[in-house]
Amino acid sequence: ETGVTQTPRHLVMGMTNKKSLKCEQHLGHNAMYWYKQSAKKPLELMFVYNFKEQTENNSVPSRFSPECPNSSHLFLHLHTLQPEDSALYLCASSQERSGGVGSYNEQFFGPGTRLTVL
Amino acid sequence: AQTVTQSQPEMSVQEAETVTLSCTYDTSESDYYLFWYKQPPSRQMILVIRQEAYKQQNATENRFSVNFQKAAKSFSLKISDSQLGDAAMYFCAYLGTYKYIFGTGTRLKVLA
Repeated sequence: ETGVTQTPRHLVMGMTNKKSLKCEQHLGHNAMYWYKQSAKKPLELMFVYNFKEQTENNSVPSRFSPECPNSSHLFLHLHTLQPEDSALYLCASSQERSGGVGSYNEQFFGPGTRLTVL
Repeated sequence: AQTVTQSQPEMSVQEAETVTLSCTYDTSESDYYLFWYKQPPSRQMILVIRQEAYKQQNATENRFSVNFQKAAKSFSLKISDSQLGDAAMYFCAYLGTYKYIFGTGTRLKVLA
């Protein structure tokens, strides 16, 4: 496996279900991200994990729960979702360097999980 | 807060012709990076080209080039000799201090 992989690629779930999305990166990066991609809207950054620690949570509802057990794996646990949560969920990774800008952090994206909430 | 605007939801170009996708952004930061990402249908998003704000020279990558106007906060992507494989969603992205911000995307159709 190379790059960033995501499973499953498609998921249909009811509002009472509990499911998890998985992301794995094989690039040796130390930062991972979850994005939500909805039609006609900008990509929404949901969570950032840098060195396995969550560094950003952009006011995401608690029905989304991230988990980052190590620098290569990232999960998004889902429970009691709403139909408006239906979207493409993208995972990305990057190699963070110290010093902020001056060390650009190109992100590598996975193929996404197409989530449909009924 | 920084914003990224792509005012063209959809563009079409004839095969072998040239097309320019627009992107404007707003920021108070002086140092940042700008990117164009391509997302083909049902395929992964990949980086097309990047520009460092401190560089005056416009970035180029084969058939892809940018017109970076820092004062105007404009960052357009030019695709020359368009090919059928260029059909995709194109996202403009801004990277300031530790944060990525994406535009809404432009869907590019390439006509044979």
